[in-house]
Amino acid sequence: DVKVTQSSRYLVKRTGEKVFLECVQDMDHENMFWYRQDPGLGLRLIYFSYDVKMKEKGDIPEGYSVSREKKERFSLILESASTNQTSMYLCASSYRSSGNTIYFGEGSWLTVV
Amino acid sequence: QKEVEQNSGPLSVPEGAIASLNCTYSDRGSQSFFWYRQYSGKSPELIMFIYSNGDKEDGRFTAQLNKASQYVSLLIRDSQPSDSATYLCAVNDARGSNYKLTFGKGTLLTVNP
Repeated sequence: DVKVTQSSRYLVKRTGEKVFLECVQDMDHENMFWYRQDPGLGLRLIYFSYDVKMKEKGDIPEGYSVSREKKERFSLILESASTNQTSMYLCASSYRSSGNTIYFGEGSWLTVV
Repeated sequence: QKEVEQNSGPLSVPEGAIASLNCTYSDRGSQSFFWYRQYSGKSPELIMFIYSNGDKEDGRFTAQLNKASQYVSLLIRDSQPSDSATYLCAVNDARGSNYKLTFGKGTLLTVNP
């Protein structure tokens, strides 16, 4: 079975703090993704990576950065957390071939106060 | 801007009935289509994918694709209360940067015992 693991399930951070969300997959997938999900807005892509050290902006990259130093690990960084970044964050991964299924982690619930 | 549209619901059906979930997409170049189920507070999980026009059946689930009409649907036969969830339609474009899925906002399905 594919396993995408998000190490932090529930976090509470203060405005202005730097926040790291970590994601690890065990299927040797080339692609990794970070989405956020908000009521009424659905799933929105923040960043994705198609290879180590490679990244592309998604639909809402502002206020976020990412790091992919190893194939299995993809980190989302909030440089200075703000209350409007309170959300559920979902990491996902897939093989490179077009049309391949993406698999989600369990999600990280972030509250910024 | 690629768009994937779904009725937000809620769609309410009695136990044992057929639930019909619909999705339209804007990009004619879309090649792969996915249905995910998401229980409240959980991450999306894949139910089915479909690439070719026509029907694809998997147990109680049938995905239907009509590329000419840019329409994809999911039928759930013999609906069970455990099917109550939000169903997300997702579309992948095989051209260019094809790694991403664009998600609809989901349809909430409630199956009443």
